[in-house]
Amino acid sequence: GDSVTQMEGPVTLSEEAFLTINCTYTATGYPSLFWYVQYPGEGLQLLLKATKADDKGSNKGFEATYRKETTSFHLEKGSVQVSDSAVYFCALSERQGAQKLVFGQGTRLTINP
Amino acid sequence: DAGVIQSPRHEVTEMGQEVTLRCKPISGHDYLFWYRQTMMRGLELLIYFNNNVPIDDSGMPEDRFSAKMPNASFSTLKIQPSEPRDSAVYFCASSGAPGGTQYFGPGTRLTVL
Repeated sequence: GDSVTQMEGPVTLSEEAFLTINCTYTATGYPSLFWYVQYPGEGLQLLLKATKADDKGSNKGFEATYRKETTSFHLEKGSVQVSDSAVYFCALSERQGAQKLVFGQGTRLTINP
Repeated sequence: DAGVIQSPRHEVTEMGQEVTLRCKPISGHDYLFWYRQTMMRGLELLIYFNNNVPIDDSGMPEDRFSAKMPNASFSTLKIQPSEPRDSAVYFCASSGAPGGTQYFGPGTRLTVL
């Protein structure tokens, strides 16, 4: 079945550092790809998404590009802030319009001042 | 908008007891999802509804779990009897369109002693 693999955490960085969280996927069709973020004590929030190959999703300084050739959707941010500390989840839906999301294990990110 | 509302936020119960978790989706959203989050298994989809009808319950772990959606503004997830391995955070999410963004509630943290 479809699956998502994220880099293991926890990840600890200093403020203003460059962030990369790796995500690769396995899917039989043409999935849509997502990054969700979970702040402490809260539910997940959509951070960004991409629905087809070479699309770039972006939000709040975060970016991720849908790479079909490497089956990847790595999350990047040029300069992280303490407020970015959270758990980040990569996810896919098996096709555009599909409801079921498959999530990666999540990566805990801590940013130190 | 108030967002997805879940109650209770925390539940502590003893093994064998019945547990009922409640969810109010965002008004106008036709899709409702129940997820379970644990350290061991990550985030798993248990069941989802479209227009109050269960569409996919393949993630429901066993007969002890049941979910209902009697109307468009309310859903329940029931565990009877509860077991310690059911301890997890249970999230409800709703979506307004096929493949649309899923909006998560704050979750219910369940502890079964």
